[in-house]
Amino acid sequence: AQTVTQSQPEMSVQEAETVTLSCTYDTSENNYYLFWYKQPPSRQMILVIRQEAYKQQNATENRFSVNFQKAAKSFSLKISDSQLGDTAMYFCAFMYMNRDDKIIFGKGTRLHILP
Amino acid sequence: EAQVTQNPRYLITVTGKKLTVTCSQNMNHEYMSWYRQDPGLGLRQIYYSMNVEVTDKGDVPEGYKVSRKEKRNFPLILESPSPNQTSLYFCASSFFQGSTDTQYFGPGTRLTVL
Repeated sequence: AQTVTQSQPEMSVQEAETVTLSCTYDTSENNYYLFWYKQPPSRQMILVIRQEAYKQQNATENRFSVNFQKAAKSFSLKISDSQLGDTAMYFCAFMYMNRDDKIIFGKGTRLHILP
Repeated sequence: EAQVTQNPRYLITVTGKKLTVTCSQNMNHEYMSWYRQDPGLGLRQIYYSMNVEVTDKGDVPEGYKVSRKEKRNFPLILESPSPNQTSLYFCASSFFQGSTDTQYFGPGTRLTVL
């Protein structure tokens, strides 16, 4: 069965620092998507970044980037120049590419950005 | 085993035919929520509930109803489904809004409205 593991339940960093959130997953499939979602206290789920497994290049969105290691089944999120507004719960998620009937979420990492 | 269950997992229906997607959690969570997942848009919140008989609109509530008569159940009702409601739906629960507890997601319901 597919699983997504986020090994850091909670993290704190100082504003302006760089932080990396880890995510590993387990699958026997070759084609899939990986996502990072941000969930602030309002409970919205904001899509931060998305990676297609067939793409070698790591996805980047402004201050957010991923380190996608397909062989190691690792998908970490790096937040550069962290801001107070980055304080949130972050979920890593996995979805099949050709049968998008299921998305599997990790348990989340609560990130605190300290002033 | 702590879990959130949704039924059905897959549903194909026609425009205008009322349907209900059930959601149930066994963790005694106060907070429950419904999301829809669409390509390129990520998860969007439809409705949420902070406790029994307390529900509120999320980002995209139009065309949906919910009820929270019991703590464990939070059904999503589409009174008159339309094709633009074809999507992947997720129910989620946690202890309460803003807590440090993680949110648990159900397995998803793939809905197709013809």
